Amino acid sequence: ETGVTQSPTHLIKTRGQQVTLRCSSQSGHNTVSWYQQALGQGPQFIFQYYREEENGRGNFPPRFSGLQFPNYSSELNVNALELDDSALYLCASSGGGLSAEAFFGQGTRLTVV
Amino acid sequence: TQLLEQSPQFLSIQEGENLTVYCNSSSVFSSLQWYRQEPGEGPVLLVTVVTGGEVKKLKRLTFQFGDARKDSSLHITAAQTGDTGLYLCAAHVTNQAGTALIFGKGTTLSVSS
Repeated sequence: ETGVTQSPTHLIKTRGQQVTLRCSSQSGHNTVSWYQQALGQGPQFIFQYYREEENGRGNFPPRFSGLQFPNYSSELNVNALELDDSALYLCASSGGGLSAEAFFGQGTRLTVV
Repeated sequence: TQLLEQSPQFLSIQEGENLTVYCNSSSVFSSLQWYRQEPGEGPVLLVTVVTGGEVKKLKRLTFQFGDARKDSSLHITAAQTGDTGLYLCAAHVTNQAGTALIFGKGTTLSVSS
């Protein structure tokens, strides 16, 4: 059983650019969620995908978009990067259900300069 | 407004001391989870509490779910330096957009020897 893997681990982008972050979910998990975490804060929910469909979205603007693929891996795309987008981006996969455990990747540290 | 309010935000103690971290809400939850996150890593699930009044123990960690299922606490006995980390409570929230795992802002615990 493989865990959740994210790539890249670190990334530096310039304001106004676009970025794509990738996540491979844990084997057997069909639900992937993305979170933004500022230093010393709790993760903020961006959106969730279940079987390739968006299944919940947090309070983030439309320039944050995503995809889930048939193998349940996922991408997070952010357009028109702003300085405040600098954060740790976490991906979590789960098998679904209201008490399901979410397994997190180690995150992608995005710095916007 | 934050759905899950955690307190204190920061806690710095000596090895061997006891501590309690709180997670409060005005909403009722079917379950609540506690995660621990170390620097450079994603959060890892410690426990899920489901029944009002439930108490769960994990070695030196004791978790309690409030009778009304609106709040929870985490008590650590005889803290060790290895307990250092960010402690997060989380709950599944469902609305018309779907279901999401929502986190509190966390308690940063520092245990020194």
